Amino acid sequence: KAGVTQTPRYLIKTRGQQVTLSCSPISGHRSVSWYQQTPGQGLQFLFEYFSETQRNKGNFPGRFSGRQFSNSRSEMNVSTLELGDSALYLCASSSDIGTNEKLFFGSGTQLSVL
Amino acid sequence: DQQVKQNSPSLSVQEGRISILNCDYTNSMFDYFLWYKKYPAEGPTFLISISSIKDKNEDGRFTVFLNKSAKHLSLHIVPSQPGDSAVYFCAASGNNDMRFGAGTRLTVKP
Repeated sequence: KAGVTQTPRYLIKTRGQQVTLSCSPISGHRSVSWYQQTPGQGLQFLFEYFSETQRNKGNFPGRFSGRQFSNSRSEMNVSTLELGDSALYLCASSSDIGTNEKLFFGSGTQLSVL
Repeated sequence: DQQVKQNSPSLSVQEGRISILNCDYTNSMFDYFLWYKKYPAEGPTFLISISSIKDKNEDGRFTVFLNKSAKHLSLHIVPSQPGDSAVYFCAASGNNDMRFGAGTRLTVKP
């Protein structure tokens, strides 16, 4: 069974640009969640999707958005990039988050904003 | 809103000794707790979990303790090995939500 796949692995952008990150969950998993990891801040929750619906959202500005497709694949978009958006963005999938199910993480997309 | 807190950013222990990592949570809706381990340039991987109906769960060298009244959990690693050196994240789950702490970097010295 393939794991969680995130693309691209690395990304370099400049301030003001926008970026789209992609995540393919484990086959059969319907919940996809996104996290931002920065040094000292741990894993900050961005949002969670289940069956194409956003169920939960963290405390991030509206520049951060996401969506989930009917095949459970998910994308997140960051518009008008700022230097502080440089981070490792992690996607995780589960059969259903918050129901005693563990998350399976991808290797992440390392975003650098110059 | 820091619903899950790991107040020790780093911990250093000698090989063979016990490592104790701590975690506190604030939301009473959380009823399932997990520990993840993360190496550089990799995603976190699941280590061990505990349901709120238990106060202890053991898996080999790893034991997680839960004190519901104090909203506190801890991970014990005995004996610690150099390969255990990584960042450990505590997570709390419930009500279609899962939140993580900031992580504790464990260094096990040979």
